[in-house]
Amino acid sequence: AAGVIQSPRHLIKEKRETATLKCYPIPRHDTVYWYQQGPGQDPQFLISFYEKMQSDKGSIPDRFSAQQFSDYHSELNMSSLELGDSALYFCASSTSTGVPGANVLTFGAGSRLTVL
Amino acid sequence: AQSVAQPEDQVNVAEGNPLTVKCTYSVSGNPYLFWYVQYPNRGLQFLLKYITGDNLVKGSYGFEAEFNKSQTSFHLKKPSALVSDSALYFCAVRDMADTPLVFGKGTRLSVIA
Repeated sequence: AAGVIQSPRHLIKEKRETATLKCYPIPRHDTVYWYQQGPGQDPQFLISFYEKMQSDKGSIPDRFSAQQFSDYHSELNMSSLELGDSALYFCASSTSTGVPGANVLTFGAGSRLTVL
Repeated sequence: AQSVAQPEDQVNVAEGNPLTVKCTYSVSGNPYLFWYVQYPNRGLQFLLKYITGDNLVKGSYGFEAEFNKSQTSFHLKKPSALVSDSALYFCAVRDMADTPLVFGKGTRLSVIA
């Protein structure tokens, strides 16, 4: 079965550089979520999109932005990178059908960003 | 706001013994509860969820979880642990409003042969 595809899997950047992460959700999933997982930490919600519109916003820094495109893929853009941005970034997707809140999030394998 | 507590950072179990990974939650309304497992350098994999109905929920790989409303708990259990169950386990909650999933800090399960 198709899964959530994230690219790149690994990324190394210098401080103050810019990085872009991509996420391709499961076909027919209309909602995309971005999470950040620091070393030894739990995943922290950053932002989500439903039908290409931002639906919720969490602890996403102002230096970060994201969008969902017409083909439902999403990109997370990170600028002025800091050492503390080094983390595993997960994308997840789900449908919005059925009982609100009950839909399972399917996660991608993650993109590991290292900022030097 | 919803929150999840996993009181144990680490759980050690001998292979073949039953295992329990604890989780308590806090939400304003009725909770939707989830368990995910994470293997090294991998994404989070869904194990099971509680939405409504029977308090005992069965999921993947022989795992089950029991919802206890009075104790606001959703402990993950398995009757007989396998070495391959060794991983990081996350409990997560959202309320009925389809808000983002909130995760606990995770519990590292180590099953010893």
